[in-house]
Amino acid sequence: AQSVTQLGSHVSVSEGALVLLRCNYSSSVPPYLFWYVQYPNQGLQLLLKYTSAATLVKGINGFEAEFKKSETSFHLTKPSAHMSDAAEYFCAVSEYQTGANNLFFGTGTRLTVIP
Amino acid sequence: KAGVTQTPRYLIKTRGQQVTLSCSPISGHRSVSWYQQTPGQGLQFLFEYFSETQRNKGNFPGRFSGRQFSNSRSEMNVSTLELGDSALYLCASSWGTSGRGSEQYFGPGTRLTVT
Repeated sequence: AQSVTQLGSHVSVSEGALVLLRCNYSSSVPPYLFWYVQYPNQGLQLLLKYTSAATLVKGINGFEAEFKKSETSFHLTKPSAHMSDAAEYFCAVSEYQTGANNLFFGTGTRLTVIP
Repeated sequence: KAGVTQTPRYLIKTRGQQVTLSCSPISGHRSVSWYQQTPGQGLQFLFEYFSETQRNKGNFPGRFSGRQFSNSRSEMNVSTLELGDSALYLCASSWGTSGRGSEQYFGPGTRLTVT
């Protein structure tokens, strides 16, 4: 079965500092991995996805994630945090089933940006 | 292009009642998935519809049901509401034809409160 684990339910960084949000996956087959962001009282917005084309994936708003098979990780990074990055971030894996298109989400990491 | 829309945005119901939530996907998208988000259980997959057929189902009781219309709009219904059904219900749409790995686009959600 596929699953993801997000280490750290809360992360605080100073404005301008590096953002690092951790995600480890469990999958017996090559995974399809996603990062989503959720702002208060809103739905989820797709930041980026990994589908085996390239191990370093660039997304929106300056975020990127690197797929490391040896570490079963897909950590999300941003070189310089902005106040507008404060939100909750979810890592997700797509179920491996022909024709299926549902996602299994991690528990989320709430990012706080300190001015 | 208009995004995923969900109606209503907020709903208050009493235990034992039933409720119907509506989702209009992005134009051209044929897959609609529903997720439940709660503080305790996080984001959980309910079911997915593609071309008016339920293609996949999560681990929820039969009180939760859904359907999809020929224009790809979808509704989900919860009967005999329980306090634990209080949650944010999110709808996501995608092209759906490529199965896993398809990008899912989320609506703003419907906040259901059961009293």
